[in-house]
Amino acid sequence: AQTVTQSQPEMSVQEAETVTLSCTYDTSENNYYLFWYKQPPSRQMILVIRQEAYKQQNATENRFSVNFQKAAKSFSLKISDSQLGDTAMYFCAFMRPLRDDKIIFGKGTRLHILP
Amino acid sequence: DTAVSQTPKYLVTQMGNDKSIKCEQNLGHDTMYWYKQDSKKFLKIMFSYNNKELIINETVPNRFSPKSPDKAHLNLHINSLELGDSAVYFCASSQDGIPPNTEAFFGQGTRLTVV
Repeated sequence: AQTVTQSQPEMSVQEAETVTLSCTYDTSENNYYLFWYKQPPSRQMILVIRQEAYKQQNATENRFSVNFQKAAKSFSLKISDSQLGDTAMYFCAFMRPLRDDKIIFGKGTRLHILP
Repeated sequence: DTAVSQTPKYLVTQMGNDKSIKCEQNLGHDTMYWYKQDSKKFLKIMFSYNNKELIINETVPNRFSPKSPDKAHLNLHINSLELGDSAVYFCASSQDGIPPNTEAFFGQGTRLTVV
């Protein structure tokens, strides 16, 4: 069975600093997708970044980047130049395409960006 | 132009009542989901439908019954509501595991409060 673990329930950083959220997962699959979702106070889930397991290059979306270590089954999210609007819950997620399409989430990390 | 829309956004009801939450997606996706987010923010998948057919049914009380009249709609009907059903319910959709579209889009969530 696949599992996703986020070991940091809550984090706080000062505005403009860089913060890294950790995520590890467990799977015997070779082909899968990993995601980071953001859930602001509005409660809507927003896709931040995704990574295909077959790609060695780390995905990047503006201030957001990941450090994908396939052998170690690690998928951390780095937020550079953090902004107040980055305050939210962040969920790491795993998906097996072409199988059951089930998306498995970690328990989330609550991130506070302090002014 | 909301991609995945849920109604209602808030729902307060008494124990024992029957209620429905509606979900519609305009993305042309083949797969839709219902997730339950508990008080600890942990997201658990409840159901997944692919082209109107049920493909995932996690351990959910049979008081919960999903209904998919067409592949753009997945409604959740709950009978005999209990206090423990209070949570935020998210609807989501994704394309059928075809890269690069293997990402899920979420609705805004429905906060259900049973009193």
